[in-house]
Amino acid sequence: DAGVIQSPRHEVTEMGQEVTLRCKPISGHDYLFWYRQTMMRGLELLIYFNNNVPIDDSGMPEDRFSAKMPNASFSTLKIQPSEPRDSAVYFCASRGQGHREQYFGPGTRLTVT
Amino acid sequence: RKEVEQDPGPFNVPEGATVAFNCTYSNSASQSFFWYRQDCRKEPKLLMSVYSSGNEDGRFTAQLNRASQYISLLIRDSKLSDSATYLCVVNLGNQFYFGTGTSLTVIP
Repeated sequence: DAGVIQSPRHEVTEMGQEVTLRCKPISGHDYLFWYRQTMMRGLELLIYFNNNVPIDDSGMPEDRFSAKMPNASFSTLKIQPSEPRDSAVYFCASRGQGHREQYFGPGTRLTVT
Repeated sequence: RKEVEQDPGPFNVPEGATVAFNCTYSNSASQSFFWYRQDCRKEPKLLMSVYSSGNEDGRFTAQLNRASQYISLLIRDSKLSDSATYLCVVNLGNQFYFGTGTSLTVIP
């Protein structure tokens, strides 16, 4: 299994631009999580899906952030418009039903200038 | 109050030393507990689950004290390759709460 796949691995963009982060969970996993990690705040859960349905988006910082999961093998996290304070590493993780551990993708390092 | 609190360190220890990390959690209804390891500029990876009776995996021992809402990780005979950040993780329902991590550097 290839594990959780994220793209791009690095993204540098200017303030005000739209940013789209992509994630492919491990095949057969029915939970998908989006996290953001910064030095100051550590790893924060933004949103998670179960069977492609968003279950809890209380961690999404504001309306500029949106996430979708159109099918079991693909999810996107979009920031529009982006701001410098959005600079962070964004991780996607997946988990199988009945399993406790999450498996993380390699992350997308976002820099907004 | 944060769901999970950890001492950020850093811990700098010589090879062969024993080092212990502690973590406290705020919600007594928390169900599952884990230690994850994160190397610099990499993703977190599961190190071990933490069971009520305590559990050991080679040089690593994890303990859980539900009464005190406290989790610990003990690393014996530290290796250079143990240098990383160790994240305490608490699960409640489908939510996973991560500590900010404890940084360990093992010195030759």
